[in-house]
Amino acid sequence: EVQLEQSGAEVKKPGESLKISCKASGYTFTTYWIGWVRQMPGKGLEWMGIIYPADSGIRYAPSFQGQVTISVDKYINTAYLQWRSLKASDTAIYYCARHPGTYCSDSTCYGGEQDGVDVWGQGTTVIVSS
Amino acid sequence: DVQMTQSPSSLSASVGDRVTITCRASQSINSHLSWYQQKPGKPPKSLIYSASSLQSGVPSRFSGRGSGTEFTLTINNLQPEDFATYFCQQSDSIPLTFGGGTKVEIK
Repeated sequence: EVQLEQSGAEVKKPGESLKISCKASGYTFTTYWIGWVRQMPGKGLEWMGIIYPADSGIRYAPSFQGQVTISVDKYINTAYLQWRSLKASDTAIYYCARHPGTYCSDSTCYGGEQDGVDVWGQGTTVIVSS
Repeated sequence: DVQMTQSPSSLSASVGDRVTITCRASQSINSHLSWYQQKPGKPPKSLIYSASSLQSGVPSRFSGRGSGTEFTLTINNLQPEDFATYFCQQSDSIPLTFGGGTKVEIK
């Protein structure tokens, strides 16, 4: 069974750093893009970016570029989302999501035929409050 | 960025009804459109990809249609477990973008 298991809820203060994780199982981690989606309290879904674990090729949404860092450790099948300095406006649920489609990074394209997201993690709640 | 506009933002329906949700893209996205269902306190669940293909395990009362800029999600014979919020998402170009959501409530 394909699963994405995310790390637990976090409560942090503004200015603190944070790294949350998403451990994949049940499939070949290096052959699917994996990414992150934000959901602020009571709001809709926002796509943040994706990474291709085989070579760490990465694509960010412009609104999140420079605000967060997406990374991966392909040897332990785990993706990460990291902040250097949290703000109150980072308070949200963050979902990791497997993307089975084809996307390109640095003119190299990888992936499959199916678009969108096919598997979601359970979500990590991040609360940033002084 | 491709803007995705869903309508209506909410609707009330009864068990057994047919419900249709519309998603419009600000430019052509071919058939790169997915639909998701989200219940309170839960992660989204993937329903449909490539505009009309059902994810494995999704009941056949869910169907999707469309291409280019206009898409629909139809739920036939609405069941109690279908009351939720539905989101569309385009994956034709990065950044991938979601519609604002449609909340399906019990009448």
